[in-house]
Amino acid sequence: QKEVEQNSGPLSVPEGAIASLNCTYSDRGSQSFFWYRQYSGKSPELIMFIYSNGDKEDGRFTAQLNKASQYVSLLIRDSQPSDSATYLCAGLGAGSYQLTFGKGTKLSVIP
Amino acid sequence: AAGVIQSPRHLIKEKRETATLKCYPIPRHDTVYWYQQGPGQDPQFLISFYEKMQSDKGSIPDRFSAQQFSDYHSELNMSSLELGDSALYFCASSLGGGDVHGYTFGSGTRLTVV
Repeated sequence: QKEVEQNSGPLSVPEGAIASLNCTYSDRGSQSFFWYRQYSGKSPELIMFIYSNGDKEDGRFTAQLNKASQYVSLLIRDSQPSDSATYLCAGLGAGSYQLTFGKGTKLSVIP
Repeated sequence: AAGVIQSPRHLIKEKRETATLKCYPIPRHDTVYWYQQGPGQDPQFLISFYEKMQSDKGSIPDRFSAQQFSDYHSELNMSSLELGDSALYFCASSLGGGDVHGYTFGSGTRLTVV
């Protein structure tokens, strides 16, 4: 069973703080990882993807991947109330067509 | 930019009825994926198509079937609907299977079975 695990939260951070979202995965064959943001009742929106060990930065977002520890994280700097949503971590295995999603972490940014 | 188009946006059906959901991928995308997301749940992969052929199959019930047409749009057919089928159904598309850049999801179809 390929699994992606996330803390369900809710995670509450004050506006302007750094939000740290974590994800672990069990399938060592997973090659690529994605962070999606999902507002209630809306479709998932791709925030970042990462497939190499290390950090990847895009604006206020930094994704980190550690394949040895099977760990993926997303840091959101200068958190804004509009960042309040559920963040889904997903993994894609080599040669696979399907994303395996975690349960999602609900983030609340308090003004 | 054109996105993934799903129709209808909302659908209400009675138990044991049938439903057809449609998905129009981003132009030139050749791969389509279907996901089901129940209330408070993460999206669950149902099925995918690459170049009009089924490429992967997940937790799709036998009561459901899907196909991809020559224009790359896809339809998910659901028969003998059950209350538990009430969910958001998302379609996503990509260029090539297992696109490392991730999928682009449509806005979803909310199916309510009463």
